[in-house]
Amino acid sequence: NAGVTQTPKFQVLKTGQSMTLQCAQDMNHNSMYWYRQDPGMGLRLIYYSASEGTTDKGEVPNGYNVSRLNKREFSLRLESAAPSQTSVYFCASSEQPFTGKLFFGSGTQLSVL
Amino acid sequence: GESVGLHLPTLSVQEGDNSIINCAYSNSASDYFIWYKQESGKGPQFIIDIRSNMDKRQGQRVTVLLNKTVKHLSLQIAATQPGDSAVYFCAEIYSYQKVTFGIGTKLQVIP
Repeated sequence: NAGVTQTPKFQVLKTGQSMTLQCAQDMNHNSMYWYRQDPGMGLRLIYYSASEGTTDKGEVPNGYNVSRLNKREFSLRLESAAPSQTSVYFCASSEQPFTGKLFFGSGTQLSVL
Repeated sequence: GESVGLHLPTLSVQEGDNSIINCAYSNSASDYFIWYKQESGKGPQFIIDIRSNMDKRQGQRVTVLLNKTVKHLSLQIAATQPGDSAVYFCAEIYSYQKVTFGIGTKLQVIP
């Protein structure tokens, strides 16, 4: 029972490079999320997808794009990485109806130099 | 990972003692509250939840208390074990849509 799987676990980018973070869940959840976690701050929502075919901005969407490829997969893309995007990124999914209970992946630690 | 632990309040507890971790929330209209546990290098994991119409809920070795008067939430861990060492943070949920996470407290269990 894998739950939420994220790849890669670690990544180092140079400013201006692009990359895509992959996420897949095997719990048949409709809703999926991307969060970032920075020291001294709570988890902040970047984008979410309430269901297959829909995506919406969260609290901190600038500099990111997402794709809900199918019900299982939700990817996060950095088109031109900036040092301010150095963070730990978490993908999550949730059951319906939404209660606030999220199932998280193990995270991607991203450094942008 | 390690960077998550920086700048966090830290609670050090002797193994076998009880731990109390506190959280102040901001929205008096929040419907639902959750405590998450995050071990080093892992994603947050659900521990226990409580609805706004309750003031106490118990799980296995954990109890959550809700004081709506002062907008305060606490997590009590009984007989703290080394495996309880982690960052704990609360989340408040408003209208079953908006989730706001606290910054967390690092619990260190001293063997």
